[in-house]
Amino acid sequence: KNEVEQSPQNLTAQEGEFITINCSYSVGISALHWLQQHPGGGIVSLFMLSSGKKKHGRLIATINIQEKHSSLHITASHPRDSAVYICAVSRGNTGNQFYFGTGTSLTVIP
Amino acid sequence: EAGVAQSPRYKIIEKRQSVAFWCNPISGHATLYWYQQILGQGPKLLIQFQNNGVVDDSQLPKDRFSAERLKGVDSTLKIQPAKLEDSAVYLCASSLGLDVYEQYFGPGTRLTVT
Repeated sequence: KNEVEQSPQNLTAQEGEFITINCSYSVGISALHWLQQHPGGGIVSLFMLSSGKKKHGRLIATINIQEKHSSLHITASHPRDSAVYICAVSRGNTGNQFYFGTGTSLTVIP
Repeated sequence: EAGVAQSPRYKIIEKRQSVAFWCNPISGHATLYWYQQILGQGPKLLIQFQNNGVVDDSQLPKDRFSAERLKGVDSTLKIQPAKLEDSAVYLCASSLGLDVYEQYFGPGTRLTVT
């Protein structure tokens, strides 16, 4: 069983919809990361968080340490949000190694 | 600030041939990571360097893969000989150090082994 699980695996939404991607983890962590990967592109860090909530533009990330769960929300989704969103966790005793989920492929239809 | 650079972006080789990938991390970043990402999966760590020393290479198939970071800056990952199952995107990332930092990823090298 993977230490980091994401759901859903695939998601299709209409432009303007509110989107939620979920991440659950089973290990102790120092931080959780949300990453974005466009087709054929590299990976971009969206958020690094260890508690509470962060917001950047239309993106919001939350984490509940007690429940070992994080969510990434996209408000007013747009076709350019179409990408794979990857959840990863850092564990403090492993030299900043990331443990990755398998990603959520998001397609936003105009 | 320049990002993580990788080359080549794409490579097609036949099985049993050899291939090398190059990575130049963000200036000042002590920690460098090589990942293998197979289509539909999350990245898998192959090797992690701190300056010019290896922190973790437990998942590196050492019979065919090798990597070095001789001067603690840029790094090379080599596969010799390649197998069909090595077809993947090879990602390089760097971070400031071994504490909890963001990792910055390069654009990746897409390898196809035929």
